[in-house]
Amino acid sequence: DVKVTQSSRYLVKRTGEKVFLECVQDMDHENMFWYRQDPGLGLRLIYFSYDVKMKEKGDIPEGYSVSREKKERFSLILESASTNQTSMYLCASSFSQGNYGYTFGSGTRLTVV
Amino acid sequence: AQSVTQLGSHVSVSEGALVLLRCNYSSSVPPYLFWYVQYPNQGLQLLLKYTSAATLVKGINGFEAEFKKSETSFHLTKPSAHMRDAAEYFCAVSDRGSARQLTFGSGTQLTVLP
Repeated sequence: DVKVTQSSRYLVKRTGEKVFLECVQDMDHENMFWYRQDPGLGLRLIYFSYDVKMKEKGDIPEGYSVSREKKERFSLILESASTNQTSMYLCASSFSQGNYGYTFGSGTRLTVV
Repeated sequence: AQSVTQLGSHVSVSEGALVLLRCNYSSSVPPYLFWYVQYPNQGLQLLLKYTSAATLVKGINGFEAEFKKSETSFHLTKPSAHMRDAAEYFCAVSDRGSARQLTFGSGTQLTVLP
């Protein structure tokens, strides 16, 4: 069964901490994405990557960075967590061809206190 | 750029009633179209997708969607709602060209009443 695995389902961090959210896929997908999801705001794209060591900003990159050192792993980094980064974070991956759609991970619900 | 509109952020139906969730896209060229479902505190799961000539697409859990080019629509239906269908549903679109990203609608929360 193909999978996108996010390292944590629930995470509680303190303001100012550096936070790492990990995402690993086993489908040899070229593309990987990080979204955050908040009530009433839908899915908002933070960063994405089309290849190893490649990254591009999405719609809301401020306060975040990413790393993609290996094809299967895409990490989201909150350099200094703030309470307004409390959210559900979703990782997704896909092939380059647009007709396959995305495969999503189960999500990480991050609370910053 | 592609856009997708989901009419109705909240839809309520009675158990056993027809489910109809609306999705319209903006494109002069038929894109690839997808419906995803999200259960509480989970990721999104693919329900069905339209990528070729068959305009009526059947998906998991008894859902289906019909691609109508003339209406630029891809509405999701299910003949008889179950309590377990209560979830949020997202329509998404992707260009047939080289675009690698999906554009998501804002989502529709489906409530099923007993």
